[in-house]
Amino acid sequence: GAVVSQHPSRVICKSGTSVKIECRSLDFQATTMFWYRQFPKQSLMLMATSNEGSKATYEQGVEKDKFLINHASLTLSTLTVTSAHPEDSSFYICGYRFSSYEQYFGPGTRLTVT
Amino acid sequence: SQQGEEDPQALSIQEGENATMNCSYKTSINNLQWYRQNSGRGLVHLILIRSNEREKHSGRLRVTLDTSKKSSSLLITASRAADTASYFCATDGPYSGGGADGLTFGKGTHLIIQP
Repeated sequence: GAVVSQHPSRVICKSGTSVKIECRSLDFQATTMFWYRQFPKQSLMLMATSNEGSKATYEQGVEKDKFLINHASLTLSTLTVTSAHPEDSSFYICGYRFSSYEQYFGPGTRLTVT
Repeated sequence: SQQGEEDPQALSIQEGENATMNCSYKTSINNLQWYRQNSGRGLVHLILIRSNEREKHSGRLRVTLDTSKKSSSLLITASRAADTASYFCATDGPYSGGGADGLTFGKGTHLIIQP
């Protein structure tokens, strides 16, 4: 299967600061990546679809000015949480849609905002 | 939200027993997938079943799909301690933002295999 990496795996930041999460496809080129968020003991919710070379598409209720997505190359997509608040603390996971509609996911980034 | 529902939310069984998890969804689908997530980790794709399929096997996994009832089940036979994880079903779309390729996940079943 496709290999997807995320960095960092864990990050703690202070309220009001910004955090950047990187998602890399290691053995394939991805025109489309997906960003999901998972709160403790809950399921994954799609936040946005990241398209290489164009603007990301955000789901209803997700603030595009707060969650900045950049997909500048076929192997790298970044999610920046701007002016983070404690309620943004969550597990962020990127995914790539592979053949036959399977998605391969990164290992996730645990964000804690204090 | 188009989230599906997993049933049960938590399941604890003895090693060697079979584990069955169910998933229901609300809209028509192209396919349904099952994923495993170990605590605090990423997702591992287990199996995909298309809307025109009724049953699929992969090793110790057996998935069924009933599109008339909008439900699916995942059976893990001869469970092992390493199967302890959360299991999610996921269907494709639809999404309000136009991200039609994103997945809609169920709430998950937390499976504990007692050694």
